[in-house]
Amino acid sequence: DIVMTQSPDSLAVSLGERATINCKSSQTVLYSSNNKNYLAWYQQKPGHPPKLLIYWASTRESGVPDRFSGSGSGTDFTLTISSLQAEDVAVYYCQQYYSTPLTFGQGTRLEIK
Amino acid sequence: QGQLVQSGAEVKKPGASVKVSCKASGDTFNSYDINWVRQATGQGLEWMGWMNFNSGNTGYAQKFQGRVTMTRSTSISTAYMELSSLRSEDTAVYYCAGRYCTGTSCFWFDPWGQGTLVTVSS
Repeated sequence: DIVMTQSPDSLAVSLGERATINCKSSQTVLYSSNNKNYLAWYQQKPGHPPKLLIYWASTRESGVPDRFSGSGSGTDFTLTISSLQAEDVAVYYCQQYYSTPLTFGQGTRLEIK
Repeated sequence: QGQLVQSGAEVKKPGASVKVSCKASGDTFNSYDINWVRQATGQGLEWMGWMNFNSGNTGYAQKFQGRVTMTRSTSISTAYMELSSLRSEDTAVYYCAGRYCTGTSCFWFDPWGQGTLVTVSS
């Protein structure tokens, strides 16, 4: 199984500042035949299902604000919120879809400082 | 985009079974796998398994093998997840989520159902 480990577990950032969340996979999620990283990021607010933000590690889902960006390759990935807004308070999860069982990181709780 | 609408909350006794439904609307889900993901209160996301909506083929996480069954009714565009031998640790919100598939590859989870709370209590 591919283990996904996020850091930090929680994060407090001032409004307008940058937030950075890291995700590390226990083995590569880069598929060599198409050079794509099988890694997605989700945002979850209380009482709601997760919402897809990023797929292929760096492709923003339609309608997601451009302050959200994803980067990384192989086993190390980052979700960056360039200028934190109040509505970004949530728990963020990375997830690999390279192989089954599909696995998520443990989540990172993002709060306002 | 298609939507997934789940059945309502359930309360079950230990040892019982629960069957949660997930109705697809607004789009064709012939090219989708329907997956089930659960989340205990205050905890993370746990993938349970998948079912191809077209073929009915399934794959289950090892943890749930023997206890989970995923089925569908194509005539009413509805997928089902049945979990048996319930215990208190199965208390969680259960989500269905679609994964678009092409060929032998399936991708990220989108869309998601709204979630169904299953409470297991004596």
